[in-house]
Amino acid sequence: KAGVTQTPRYLIKTRGQQVTLSCSPISGHRSVSWYQQTPGQGLQFLFEYFSETQRNKGNFPGRFSGRQFSNSRSEMNVSTLELGDSALYLCASRRGVEEKLFFGSGTQLSVL
Amino acid sequence: AQKVTQAQTEISVVEKEDVTLDCVYETRDTTYYLFWYKQPPSGELVFLIRRNSFDEQNEISGRYSWNFQKSTSSFNFTITASQVVDSAVYFCALSGSTYNNNDMRFGAGTRLTVKP
Repeated sequence: KAGVTQTPRYLIKTRGQQVTLSCSPISGHRSVSWYQQTPGQGLQFLFEYFSETQRNKGNFPGRFSGRQFSNSRSEMNVSTLELGDSALYLCASRRGVEEKLFFGSGTQLSVL
Repeated sequence: AQKVTQAQTEISVVEKEDVTLDCVYETRDTTYYLFWYKQPPSGELVFLIRRNSFDEQNEISGRYSWNFQKSTSSFNFTITASQVVDSAVYFCALSGSTYNNNDMRFGAGTRLTVKP
């Protein structure tokens, strides 16, 4: 069974640009969550999608948005990039709220 | 709202020492799920254990053991006879069960360094 796949692995952008990250969950998982990881900040929850609906949202500005498609694949978009958005963005999937999360390898975003 | 606190930012031990990583959580749900993850230097998060709120039995898996105490809202993780390969960042996480509370929230992590 394929794991959670995130693309691209690395991204370099400049301030003011926008970026779209992609995540393909494990087959059969309808829940996809996104996290931002920066040194010393742990994993900050961005949002979770379940069956194409945003189920939960963390405390991030509206520049961070996402969506989920009918095949459970998810995208995350960050508009008007700021230097502070430089981070590792992790996607994870699970079958249900009681289940563990399976994580992808992440997308390392650098904003210059 | 849910919250997970890992007060220990960094711990350094010498190989073969025992080490306990603390985790304290807050939730209003009566049914919830607790997790521990390991993030080695390679970066990929590795699942270690899941525990639901109705199961307070401690668990042992090899050199790893977990102590869940609802009375103190704690879910601590002990590594016995630590090894260099245990060096990693360890995250405790909580997932509630009610709407708006069922996403998984992580603590800030504890960086464990095991020296030879």
